Amino acid sequence: DSGVTQTPKHLITATGQRVTLRCSPRSGDLSVYWYQQSLDQGLQFLIQYYNGEERAKGNILERFSAQQFPDLHSELNLSSLELGDSALYFCASSVVASGSTDTQYFGPGTRLTVL
Amino acid sequence: AQSVTQLGSHVSVSEGALVLLRCNYSSSVPPYLFWYVQYPNQGLQLLLKYTSAATLVKGINGFEAEFKKSETSFHLTKPSAHMSDAAEYFCAVRSNYQLIWGAGTKLIIKP
Repeated sequence: DSGVTQTPKHLITATGQRVTLRCSPRSGDLSVYWYQQSLDQGLQFLIQYYNGEERAKGNILERFSAQQFPDLHSELNLSSLELGDSALYFCASSVVASGSTDTQYFGPGTRLTVL
Repeated sequence: AQSVTQLGSHVSVSEGALVLLRCNYSSSVPPYLFWYVQYPNQGLQLLLKYTSAATLVKGINGFEAEFKKSETSFHLTKPSAHMSDAAEYFCAVRSNYQLIWGAGTKLIIKP
């Protein structure tokens, strides 16, 4: 158990809908990262927050957004869902913002299925 | 731009045999490299990381990896495979705030 929790574990929805994925980082970690894992694209970094502020953006679509709240939990919002958004979404957390050797600890993921 | 290449999407070894999973990186700066393992229907777990302190890095579950700058490689090895090692293994390089991932290698253990 990494100490990172994600809810829900599974999510099934229809095209055009909007969903929210939630992540609670490990106690003491200030950084939260979101990743998407799909069969065709592999693992891709989406976005990072550090202590409530956006720190880095990766391959995140405009239909997707995230935020980190004062209690440090984070939410990833996916809207106008398409079939291709079906994937496993991981949240990871770490202590610092950008330490090169800083370890990212991963949650169990949320499997999103768009029908 | 930094990148990671993992040779072999699937590697099959017999139980008790040597495990060798290959990872090559491309980086214009000293790289910070990681190996993660993903068991079926689970998240990613850190196996080991290279932080430039030592070229031979020991990780959990008997795995180790050797950083070779001349070969731009960071291959993962384990002397004797166990059935419980069956999983997908990912090599990653740290690039600013994010991890750049390889495509992953599925390790299959034959009894």
